[in-house]
Amino acid sequence: GAGVSQSPSNKVTEKGKDVELRCDPISGHTALYWYRQSLGQGLEFLIYFQGNSAPDKSGLPSDRFSAERTGGSVSTLTIQRTQQEDSAVYLCASSLTQGKEKLFFGSGTQLSVL
Amino acid sequence: AQSVTQPDIHITVSEGASLELRCNYSYGATPYLFWYVQSPGQGLQLLLKYFSGDTLVQGIKGFEAEFKRSQSSFNLRKPSVHWSDAAEYFCAVKTGANNLFFGTGTRLTVIP
Repeated sequence: GAGVSQSPSNKVTEKGKDVELRCDPISGHTALYWYRQSLGQGLEFLIYFQGNSAPDKSGLPSDRFSAERTGGSVSTLTIQRTQQEDSAVYLCASSLTQGKEKLFFGSGTQLSVL
Repeated sequence: AQSVTQPDIHITVSEGASLELRCNYSYGATPYLFWYVQSPGQGLQLLLKYFSGDTLVQGIKGFEAEFKRSQSSFNLRKPSVHWSDAAEYFCAVKTGANNLFFGTGTRLTVIP
């Protein structure tokens, strides 16, 4: 597609359930980022993938959070045993390469944990 | 550790007035600096970026920003604000580790 695509756009789940959020980056982009934007907060870095290198997971808030990127393209962010504080907008971004390239953001997934 | 500070949570300006949004960073070397805008219901869009060279950079929509090393600042400016500029503005820093760290954002309200 022309831009970064995220699905679903909205997800409502019950506390304790697992959720999967999907990101389809721009074709050919080697770098992929996940961010979280909570109400009234800035963008919190979660994880970064660059090509075939080991991902930078330094921003993941707990071991309930994990992400993978298959075939260097689509990425899935998984949150296990969701908590109410996980409610946020989860944004995915991609860039052509690492370094100076600008990021292109998806529209995000609004996650609500009841 | 690197950090980005946007001291103003919310700014209100009149249409046609000038605008300055503040951004300060903490990083040992000269970072790559960015300003992004998030309009209501829309994704984040890059306004401008600074890597090296001329410390005054021009961006889209009439915005500019000036990198001041002595003040560790990268303030965003616009001489005349339009109603369509109402949005959330994020300053960001990219370090050698290639992670992009964002400030907490400044919400801009434009009044007629």
